[in-house]
Amino acid sequence: KQEVTQIPAALSVPEGENLVLNCSFTDSAIYNLQWFRQDPGKGLTSLLLIQSSQREQTSGRLNASLDKSSGRSTLYIAASQPGDSATYLCAVREHNQGGKLIFGQGTELSVKP
Amino acid sequence: DAGVIQSPRHEVTEMGQEVTLRCKLISGHNSLFWYRQTMMRGLELLIYFNNNVPIDDSGMPEDRFSAKMPNASFSTLKIQPSEPRDSAVYFCASSPGDRAPGYTFGSGTRLTVV
Repeated sequence: KQEVTQIPAALSVPEGENLVLNCSFTDSAIYNLQWFRQDPGKGLTSLLLIQSSQREQTSGRLNASLDKSSGRSTLYIAASQPGDSATYLCAVREHNQGGKLIFGQGTELSVKP
Repeated sequence: DAGVIQSPRHEVTEMGQEVTLRCKLISGHNSLFWYRQTMMRGLELLIYFNNNVPIDDSGMPEDRFSAKMPNASFSTLKIQPSEPRDSAVYFCASSPGDRAPGYTFGSGTRLTVV
């Protein structure tokens, strides 16, 4: 059974720092992996999607990498800002499981001015 | 496009009452997903539909839960009778197809059963 783990559970950093969020999954037979952002009381916003054949994706200050063989993904945030404060979730979609996403528990990020 | 629209945003009900959550998909999307989020278990898939047909309902916790998709743009999730342990945030999401990227989540319904 696929399990997705995110470390750390919470992270507090001063503004301007570069930071890395980690995600690991137990079964490497994934179709793709997505990183989402969730603001308090809101829904999820998709940030980056990496197909299983890709190694990384970039969007602005965000870079996500995928190492399928080791079951790991990282989300790198450059020059963090207070507006980046949110919970970040990673989710994997497996082969032969249709559209089902399996989520990690998330990392709650706080960027202090 | 207004995105995935869920109603109500908040629902407080007494144990034993019937609760109906509603979701309107993005026009042109063929797949619809219902997720539940709790502090203990995080986000879990309850059920998903592809072209109005239920594909995977293995996450539906028990017979008290039922979901329908009467047409291509609308879905309901019903809990009857509701229990305090059903308290959670229920999210609906849609995508262009069950293998297509581009998952879009609604803002969720926060359900409290007292």
